[in-house]
Amino acid sequence: GQNIDQPTEMTATEGAIVQINCTYQTSGFNGLFWYQQHAGEAPTFLSYNVLDGLEEKGRFSSFLSRSKGYSYLLLKELQMKDSASYLCAVQGGTDKLIFGTGTRLQVFP
Amino acid sequence: DTGVSQDPRHKITKRGQNVTFRCDPISEHNRLYWYRQTLGQGPEFLTYFQNEAQLEKSRLLSDRFSAERPKGSFSTLEIQRTEQGDSAMYLCASSLLGAETQYFGPGTRLLVL
Repeated sequence: GQNIDQPTEMTATEGAIVQINCTYQTSGFNGLFWYQQHAGEAPTFLSYNVLDGLEEKGRFSSFLSRSKGYSYLLLKELQMKDSASYLCAVQGGTDKLIFGTGTRLQVFP
Repeated sequence: DTGVSQDPRHKITKRGQNVTFRCDPISEHNRLYWYRQTLGQGPEFLTYFQNEAQLEKSRLLSDRFSAERPKGSFSTLEIQRTEQGDSAMYLCASSLLGAETQYFGPGTRLLVL
């Protein structure tokens, strides 16, 4: 079967660092994506990992371990506008994306 | 704005009516995807096209759902005899063959009364 797990909710303080974990079990693996989704809006692309290791892009970094079926998204220097849902998605054996339920992050002042 | 557009943005209909949604992908993108998202859940795959060809359909896509991409550009998703369970956000995404990232449109929010 296909399964992607991530925490439902997280809270953090402005200026802090937060790590959102994602574990997956899928038939086939062609890459792992992180999307940000503000309430009522479409998902926007954040990062893509296909090889093991860390990809850094400004305040956001994403890590992948294919042998462990594990990824995390690291957000540094949190800002209020980072309050959103963060979606972990795996591109499996075909080109469709399989999404987790999303992690709702609330950033407090 | 990713360059993917969807129309309408909102649709309210009565149970049993038919509805049709349109998606215009980023112009050079040859792959087009439809997803459905309900509150508190991640998007679920429905179907996708490469140019005009529909390459995969989810088991979620009942006989009441049909999608087309007749000229390999825009796509339509039709739902016949709508049911209250069809209420959701319908998202379209596009990508370029050989590039992995899918870019999403703003979605069509459907409410079936």
